[in-house]
Amino acid sequence: EAQVTQNPRYLITVTGKKLTVTCSQNMNHEYMSWYRQDPGLGLRQIYYSMNVEVTDKGDVPEGYKVSRKEKRNFPLILESPSPNQTSLYFCASSYSVNTEAFFGQGTRLTVV
Amino acid sequence: QKEVEQNSGPLSVPEGAIASLNCTYSDRGSQSFFWYRQYSGKSPELIMFIYSNGDKEDGRFTAQLNKASQYVSLLIRDSQPSDSATYLCAVYSGTYKYIFGTGTRLKDLA
Repeated sequence: EAQVTQNPRYLITVTGKKLTVTCSQNMNHEYMSWYRQDPGLGLRQIYYSMNVEVTDKGDVPEGYKVSRKEKRNFPLILESPSPNQTSLYFCASSYSVNTEAFFGQGTRLTVV
Repeated sequence: QKEVEQNSGPLSVPEGAIASLNCTYSDRGSQSFFWYRQYSGKSPELIMFIYSNGDKEDGRFTAQLNKASQYVSLLIRDSQPSDSATYLCAVYSGTYKYIFGTGTRLKDLA
């Protein structure tokens, strides 16, 4: 089954404790991206990747890192999480940047 | 001005009526336009995409694009209770970025 898998689905952590949210797709898509979704602000792009080893900042990259060492995986790293990073996070992939995006199930992150 | 704007709603539509959702965008060079549906607590899923001016129909859904006026709309005919969701407009403007509007919540009056 074609899918984008994110883990974990829910995470509560403390300020400053490094964490990684994993994202994996099995559709051989080139384009992958991370979004955060906050009430009233919609989906905002954090980082995107056009292909292996090619990443770039989206609209809200501060406090986040990504890597794309393999085509299927695109982890999101929070080196030192802060409470303002409490949000719902989505990973998405698509064949190319201007085609349909397939979303993961979402990760609800709470930083206390 | 926001790059992609939508009325947040909620938009109340009686069952069986036509729901009309609108989206405006600021970048005249935008190339591709998408409508996603997101149920509460779930991830967005694609309903329609449109690349050219005019109308595109798929079942009960019609997407309309007017590049001169920089708007894209989604019509939902014969609204059903299952259409109650938030509808997200997304635009690709050619800069490797895919930009979403804040979404319009559709409330179906069953």
